[in-house]
Amino acid sequence: GAVVSQHPSRVICKSGTSVKIECRSLDFQATTMFWYRQFPKQSLMLMATSNEGSKATYEQGVEKDKFLINHASLTLSTLTVTSAHPEDSSFYICSARGEVSDTQYFGPGTRLTVL
Amino acid sequence: GQNIDQPTEMTATEGAIVQINCTYQTSGFNGLFWYQQHAGEAPTFLSYNVLDGLEEKGRFSSFLSRSKGYSYLLLKELQMKDSASYLCAVNDYKLSFGAGTTVTVRA
Repeated sequence: GAVVSQHPSRVICKSGTSVKIECRSLDFQATTMFWYRQFPKQSLMLMATSNEGSKATYEQGVEKDKFLINHASLTLSTLTVTSAHPEDSSFYICSARGEVSDTQYFGPGTRLTVL
Repeated sequence: GQNIDQPTEMTATEGAIVQINCTYQTSGFNGLFWYQQHAGEAPTFLSYNVLDGLEEKGRFSSFLSRSKGYSYLLLKELQMKDSASYLCAVNDYKLSFGAGTTVTVRA
């Protein structure tokens, strides 16, 4: 099956710093990548959709200047949480979808803790 | 808006069968996914239904009725490792997830 990697798997940072999370599709070309956030005991909430080479589309209520998304190639998307605060602490998960199939394949997730 | 409902929790015995229902009312619909998610991990793909009917994959089966806005995931011959959260997600180009059903398998 399709493999999506995410790095780092866990990060702890101080309030006010920026954190970059990478999402890579390892064995297929991901024309579209998605970024989700999941708080404890809650379901996944879509933050933004990104297509290779174009600007990301953000969901209502998600600040695009705070959560910077770059999808520079068909195998890599990055999410940068700028000026992180404790309320940004969450489980961030990316997914990738190729051209042919509707199926989204998820990365292993990044646990962000902001102190 | 999107409204996707599934039960919060279910408990069953090892070797038994459990059926997780999902009802949805969404503005668009291209298909319905079921994912399994173990605690602290990302979701893994189980099934995708586009047309009405039953799709069987080993111990797991998924059913869809588009006219009723209803799907279920059937887990047979339950094993301890099946203890996880099961997420129903409607595909309308992007995915909208239900809150998830936590299944606990007891010995």
